[in-house]
Amino acid sequence: AQKVTQAQTEISVVEKEDVTLDCVYETRDTTYYLFWYKQPPSGELVFLIRRNSFDEQNEISGRYSWNFQKSTSSFNFTITASQVVDSAVYFCALRVGSGTYKYIFGTGTRLKVLA
Amino acid sequence: SAVISQKPSRDICQRGTSLTIQCQVDSQVTMMFWYRQQPGQSLTLIATANQGSEATYESGFVIDKFPISRPNLTFSTLTVSNMSPEDSSIYLCSVANRGWRFFGPGTRLTVL
Repeated sequence: AQKVTQAQTEISVVEKEDVTLDCVYETRDTTYYLFWYKQPPSGELVFLIRRNSFDEQNEISGRYSWNFQKSTSSFNFTITASQVVDSAVYFCALRVGSGTYKYIFGTGTRLKVLA
Repeated sequence: SAVISQKPSRDICQRGTSLTIQCQVDSQVTMMFWYRQQPGQSLTLIATANQGSEATYESGFVIDKFPISRPNLTFSTLTVSNMSPEDSSIYLCSVANRGWRFFGPGTRLTVL
């Protein structure tokens, strides 16, 4: 089965707190890609990061960091020193297949950052 | 990358009417996709639209309800027909460019 699970439906934090959004995936493909998208209240999907299955190196981009662990099939996303503008729904997604790729989205985690 | 625009950005419609959503891309793409995102839910693929052929619909979606046009490599439309309140969703256009999906800004539809 191919699946993306975001067990956290909604998280609330106070501004400047760190927060980690969890993503667990399932696939039998050996080559796949993982993504994180941000969806602010306006509705558009904003691409944040892409990771391929052969690259387990963690990544940091400003206040954002991502931890990819194949051993636990997880691709977690941490926001350091959260800000009110980080409030959004965050989706984790998995791309599998070849030729015609299939994208599988998680159910999303709504993050609320309180001032 | 690909820059995608959608019209309208939002609309409020009456039950029983139809709405056509337009999707324009700034480059030629072979595959375009339409997604639905119901309130508080994840993205669900409605159909894949290739230029010059009929759209391929996912399970649970039918052409009579969601007719799609793909007249050229930069444009597509999705019509939501005979709308009911259950059709209230964000509809997102997406394109495949070199294996990656890019998403439009979405059309937020409310059906009264």
